[in-house]
Amino acid sequence: AQSVAQPEDQVNVAEGNPLTVKCTYSVSGNPYLFWYVQYPNRGLQFLLKYITGDNLVKGSYGFEAEFNKSQTSFHLKKPSALVSDSALYFCAVRGAGSSNTGKLIFGQGTTLQVKP
Amino acid sequence: DAGVIQSPRHEVTEMGQEVTLRCKPISGHDYLFWYRQTMMRGLELLIYFNNNVPIDDSGMPEDRFSAKMPNASFSTLKIQPSEPRDSAVYFCATTAPPFTDTQYFGPGTRLTVL
Repeated sequence: AQSVAQPEDQVNVAEGNPLTVKCTYSVSGNPYLFWYVQYPNRGLQFLLKYITGDNLVKGSYGFEAEFNKSQTSFHLKKPSALVSDSALYFCAVRGAGSSNTGKLIFGQGTTLQVKP
Repeated sequence: DAGVIQSPRHEVTEMGQEVTLRCKPISGHDYLFWYRQTMMRGLELLIYFNNNVPIDDSGMPEDRFSAKMPNASFSTLKIQPSEPRDSAVYFCATTAPPFTDTQYFGPGTRLTVL
């Protein structure tokens, strides 16, 4: 069965410091991996995705994520955090090929708090 | 494109009343998903459609919940009768593989059942 885990409920970082939000996954076959961000009272917004190719994926707002097949991880990173990055972040996975049921499996979310 | 459109944005109703939430997908997107988000349970997939046909409704919590997609431009999620524990934010999302693998979310409907 497909699953995704975000081991941290909350990540705190000072503005200007690098940030990492962790995600690990379990899926049969090749995964499609996604990061979404949710600001207060808003819907989820797509940040970036890994389908195939380069393990380092660049997305919106200066975020990037690194796909690591051996560790089954897809951690979200940003070199320099901004206060405006404070939000709820979701990792999601979808199976490819015969595992593609069309739906995403979401993690429980990680709250990122960036302090000035 | 205006994106995924949901209405109403906020709904306050009393226990026992019928509630209907609406979603207009992005044109051309043939997958439509209904999610529910609460503090306690996080983001839950309720049901999803492909080409207007329900594919997986295993996430629908009870028979009080029903969803329809009468055409490619419109879907409804109905709760009848509503209960206070149904209070949540309900999201609609759409996608169109293989054209795009990304799900695009609507702004959500915040439902409060008193």
